[in-house]
Amino acid sequence: DTEVTQTPKHLVMGMTNKKSLKCEQHMGHRAMYWYKQKAKKPPELMFVYSYEKLSINESVPSRFSPECPNSSLLNLHLHALQPEDSALYLCASSQAGGRGTDTQYFGPGTRLTVL
Amino acid sequence: AQTVTQSQPEMSVQEAETVTLSCTYDTSESDYYLFWYKQPPSRQMILVIRQEAYKQQNATENRFSVNFQKAAKSFSLKISDSQLGDAAMYFCAYFLGNEKLTFGTGTRLTIIP
Repeated sequence: DTEVTQTPKHLVMGMTNKKSLKCEQHMGHRAMYWYKQKAKKPPELMFVYSYEKLSINESVPSRFSPECPNSSLLNLHLHALQPEDSALYLCASSQAGGRGTDTQYFGPGTRLTVL
Repeated sequence: AQTVTQSQPEMSVQEAETVTLSCTYDTSESDYYLFWYKQPPSRQMILVIRQEAYKQQNATENRFSVNFQKAAKSFSLKISDSQLGDAAMYFCAYFLGNEKLTFGTGTRLTIIP
């Protein structure tokens, strides 16, 4: 089973709202990722969690706040977003450490629209 | 820094025919991984095929195969017997093992019935 699930599928929010995106995997993976993807562009890495600790933050604005409550769950908390933050947000997971742990498996994404 | 280049923004192929998507990359490393991901209109990024750089044998997965030329830093994807369900954006990606996946700009593949 290589399934990564994401909720919600679609989200519309105002610039003053607070919302959260959720990602879940049950493959025993210990690395989880958030990507942002604009239309017709490749995904851009935002954050990486490895063994529930934040290991990479690609200089993402503080209005995006990641959280990894346990090894299966990854959240992205959103606050005071801008219209240019509208995009597809993809979650991925992989094993962490060692050869053969390279492959990232992606969820179906959350389409976010900021009004 | 590693870069991945996909020089074909769009490609089209007749159903049941064969098509090859190009990818080149730039790296000074010798041990790394290469991937092709497919993203259909449903948006899910689906792994198509994976290649380990230290393996000389080209990876294959059913109708999908790669031509990996390490010295030339080339990693093309061949799709045989194209099907309507193959229509998607295809991304080539490079991975060094530091958790960062570097994507190319993508090739949009259209299948003509």
